[in-house]
Amino acid sequence: QKEVEQNSGPLSVPEGAIASLNCTYSDRVSQSFFWYRQYSGKSPELIMSIYSNGDKEDGRFTAQLNKASQYVSLLIRDSQPSDSATYLCAVKYGGGADGLTFGKGTHLIIQP
Amino acid sequence: DADVTQTPRNRITKTGKRIMLECSQTKGHDRMYWYRQDPGLGLRLIYYSFDVKDINKGEISDGYSVSRQAQAKFSLSLESAIPNQTALYFCATSPAEGREQYFGPGTRLTVT
Repeated sequence: QKEVEQNSGPLSVPEGAIASLNCTYSDRVSQSFFWYRQYSGKSPELIMSIYSNGDKEDGRFTAQLNKASQYVSLLIRDSQPSDSATYLCAVKYGGGADGLTFGKGTHLIIQP
Repeated sequence: DADVTQTPRNRITKTGKRIMLECSQTKGHDRMYWYRQDPGLGLRLIYYSFDVKDINKGEISDGYSVSRQAQAKFSLSLESAIPNQTALYFCATSPAEGREQYFGPGTRLTVT
């Protein structure tokens, strides 16, 4: 079974620090990787997509992908209280259904 | 702004009733998806569609059906609602296989 694993948290980080969120996946035949942010009761909002090994930066966010280790991470620099949310890791596995496979999410709390 | 909309936003219904959830999008995407989200279980794929002639089952399609009325409209039906279908339902769109997905605001469905 193709799975996406995340630590559920909560992960507590002081304001201004770097928040590091991690995700592992089970199938080497994986094409695309995404990070979504979800506030309570709201819909998932796309933060980053990453398709190849290495780092991808967008503003305060950096996604890191290591396909050999089946590992993807999200770094949030200069964390703000508004970053407090649940972060969902999603993987598009090769073959099978076209949808994304989601982790259960990590609850991030930024302490002012 | 191009967007994904869902109606209704909240619905309470009784066991055995038929209910339809509707999704519309102005993003011009061909691919549309229905997910449900349950506490502790994450997002799971119900159905997806590549175009009006192509409908596919996802991970948890039992008890659900869908209709793709046009490129912009994708409806989810519960033929005979049961309490364990109480969940948050999201519609999503994508521009291409393996690409990011954009979510609607969700429908909170309660089956009593």
